[in-house]
Amino acid sequence: LAKTTQPISMDSYEGQEVNITCSHNNIATNDYITWYQQFPSQGPRFIIQGYKTKVTNEVASLFIPADRKSSTLSLPRVSLSDTAVYYCSVSGGYQKVTFGIGTKLQVIP
Amino acid sequence: DVKVTQSSRYLVKRTGEKVFLECVQDMDHENMFWYRQDPGLGLRLIYFSYDVKMKEKGDIPEGYSVSREKKERFSLILESASTNQTSMYLCASSGRGLDEQFFGPGTRLTVL
Repeated sequence: LAKTTQPISMDSYEGQEVNITCSHNNIATNDYITWYQQFPSQGPRFIIQGYKTKVTNEVASLFIPADRKSSTLSLPRVSLSDTAVYYCSVSGGYQKVTFGIGTKLQVIP
Repeated sequence: DVKVTQSSRYLVKRTGEKVFLECVQDMDHENMFWYRQDPGLGLRLIYFSYDVKMKEKGDIPEGYSVSREKKERFSLILESASTNQTSMYLCASSGRGLDEQFFGPGTRLTVL
């Protein structure tokens, strides 16, 4: 299974774009990359999923280079409510999933 | 609204006790998972199940077992709780393929 590595923490001012990069050097051909958001005292919540190139939804974008050994979650114009822990995960066959340790994002007013 | 529920938010048990953590999902999902979450270690997969009565070991199955007798219910069992099993336990479910996982609110277990 691919191991994932991401920064432990990041700070950003309100209104800025935030990019969080995750490394997954051993990603397999059929693995997908999924990002989750977690607030205190809650379970993680799905943000976005992709396989290659770029995926965008109403809350975030996910950039995956051609070699797929990393991925970048992009949050446009963050607000205080985006303060949370963000997890990168890699999913392989039979749904076996590897999560990173999470990046704690602190949005500053 | 999709929902994954866990039997307790907080649980305190003594060393050596048998502990049952229950998880129920109402989305008719095939796959169910148990994770533990510890500071600095992120989420680690304990066991998962992709069908009734089927189970697969995750990354840290030692000291745990699971049971899935019905599609909607997945139980995590600590046969003899130890202090190093003090942790936050999260249950999740997902549909077929590589769908997103839906997580429960977690159970914070303390073993004294």
